[in-house]
Amino acid sequence: AQSVTQPDIHITVSEGASLELRCNYSYGATPYLFWYVQSPGQGLQLLLKYFSGDTLVQGIKGFEAEFKRSQSSFNLRKPSVHWSDAAEYFCAVGATGNKLVFGAGTILRVKS
Amino acid sequence: EPEVTQTPSHQVTQMGQEVILRCVPISNHLYFYWYRQILGQKVEFLVSFYNNEISEKSEIFDDQFSVERPDGSNFTLKIRSTKLEDSAMYFCASRDRGSYEQYFGPGTRLTVT
Repeated sequence: AQSVTQPDIHITVSEGASLELRCNYSYGATPYLFWYVQSPGQGLQLLLKYFSGDTLVQGIKGFEAEFKRSQSSFNLRKPSVHWSDAAEYFCAVGATGNKLVFGAGTILRVKS
Repeated sequence: EPEVTQTPSHQVTQMGQEVILRCVPISNHLYFYWYRQILGQKVEFLVSFYNNEISEKSEIFDDQFSVERPDGSNFTLKIRSTKLEDSAMYFCASRDRGSYEQYFGPGTRLTVT
């Protein structure tokens, strides 16, 4: 069965510092991979997606992610974090039937 | 930009009552989904719906749950007899044919007392 692991429950970074959120997936075929962000009390906003092609994908708000098949990973990165990036981030894989299977999420705190 | 909308934003109900959560997917989308997120937990798939029938459902989606597309715009989730453990945020999502990208609504927070 498909699964997604986000090993870090909480991450705290200083404003202006770089960020990397880890995501590992388990899926037999070529995965469709997504990162969503959820601010408190809000819905899920798509940051970026990978379907095929270039393994480095760019998203909104200055985020990027790199698909590494050999490591079954799809880590999210941002070179310089802003205080408004504080939120919860979810990695997801598009599974059989095109439902999404989500990871447990990583809560990002940004300290000034 | 088109978006998925959900009503109400917050619903409080007593245990054993029926609730209907409403969603208006993006107008040209053909595939519809419900997910839920219990407080502090991951987002979980409930059901997918295409061509007026359920495509897939999770083990969470038991006989107490049903979905319907009563007209050309709404997509509803009904819980017949709510339990305390149904308290969660419920998200509706939709996608277009040929795209794997799902667009999520803002969610309905259901509180069962």
